[in-house]
Amino acid sequence: AQTVTQSQPEMSVQEAETVTLSCTYDTSESNYYLFWYKQPPSRQMILVIRQEAYKQQNATENRFSVNFQKAAKSFSLKISDSQLGDTAMYFCAFMKGRVQGAQKLVFGQGTRLTINP
Amino acid sequence: DVKVTQSSRYLVKRTGEKVFLECVQDMDHENMFWYRQDPGLGLRLIYFSYDVKMKEKGDIPEGYSVSREKKERFSLILESASTNQTSMYLCASSPGQYMNTEAFFGQGTRLTVV
Repeated sequence: AQTVTQSQPEMSVQEAETVTLSCTYDTSESNYYLFWYKQPPSRQMILVIRQEAYKQQNATENRFSVNFQKAAKSFSLKISDSQLGDTAMYFCAFMKGRVQGAQKLVFGQGTRLTINP
Repeated sequence: DVKVTQSSRYLVKRTGEKVFLECVQDMDHENMFWYRQDPGLGLRLIYFSYDVKMKEKGDIPEGYSVSREKKERFSLILESASTNQTSMYLCASSPGQYMNTEAFFGQGTRLTVV
């Protein structure tokens, strides 16, 4: 079974700073996908970024980027120039690739990020 | 845009009641999921479905059942609600198998059992 671990329950930074959220996972699969989801106070889960395990290049989406270390099974999220609207719970998630039936997401415990003005 | 709609944002029920949480998606997705979210535990999978009338247990199915009579609707049923089922419940959907895409979530139902 796959497991996902987020070791930072809470983080707090000042607006405009850069912050990195950690995530490690455990799997014996070679084909998989990793995601970061954001859950603001509205509770709506929003996809922030995704990474395919077969791609060596780290994914980026505007101010959001990942550091994907496949051998170390690490998948951290970097938020640059943080904004007040980045305040949210962030979840790291794992999904096996090419499975029969539904592809399930396995989530970490979450990191509550607060951006202070 | 994909829309996943949960019937209630907040719900208060009494111990022993039968509770129905409804979820509807409008993108013809094959897969639908019910997760439970608790502080410090993240999201845990209760049940999922990859086709109409098909269902499979997730990691924490005890005390729950599901129904999927139509492709767009996936219901979570608490047969006899208990206080330890007080939680946030999130419904999600995703396209069919081998699609390798993320899941799309509803806005969550915060259930309190008293």
